[in-house]
Amino acid sequence: DGGITQSPKYLFRKEGQNVTLSCEQNLNHDAMYWYRQDPGQGLRLIYYSQIVNDFQKGDIAEGYSVSREKKESFPLTVTSAQKNPTAFYLCASSTYDRGAQETQYFGPGTRLLVL
Amino acid sequence: DAKTTQPNSMESNEEEPVHLPCNHSTISGTDYIHWYRQLPSQGPEYVIHGLTSNVNNRMASLAIAEDRKSSTLILHRATLRDAAVYYCILRHSGGYQKVTFGTGTKLQVIP
Repeated sequence: DGGITQSPKYLFRKEGQNVTLSCEQNLNHDAMYWYRQDPGQGLRLIYYSQIVNDFQKGDIAEGYSVSREKKESFPLTVTSAQKNPTAFYLCASSTYDRGAQETQYFGPGTRLLVL
Repeated sequence: DAKTTQPNSMESNEEEPVHLPCNHSTISGTDYIHWYRQLPSQGPEYVIHGLTSNVNNRMASLAIAEDRKSSTLILHRATLRDAAVYYCILRHSGGYQKVTFGTGTKLQVIP
């Protein structure tokens, strides 16, 4: 089945630790995105990538880093500089060429908790 | 993206139609209206989108006002599985535009 997978489903981080969230898609989509969602809030864009080996900061990129070495993969690292990382993290992908009719497909999410 | 306004929450009885409103008074002529929904503890999923004419698909219908300053997502027969947060979003034409998800409308379906 085509889709987006995120792992792990739950992740625990210790103080001062970097952790990496995985996102893989087999939809052959060019664009991929990372969002953060806090309880009762909407989604906020962290980073996005429109093509391999290129990515741009979203609205809340501080304390996060990404890479896009393969079309299928867009891992997100939550660094120790992110002081309040507890949240629900969502990865999405889309075809880049549909402009205003672009539809985003989301993964099931990773819930990050700080110990 | 232009701003949209939605009620924070709504209730519906099971098996009855639901009309979820969205106001977008600053919409421009080429903005598309998109709807997504997010079930509890899951990622959002696409529901429907349109430009000017009303749209139907297997999940819902989208009714767009003649002046395009508002739209309504219609679930023809609510089920318990439709309980979710529904997001109304505008997308510009011309060049890449990142998506902005607000807080949406939380729909509660009462058995």
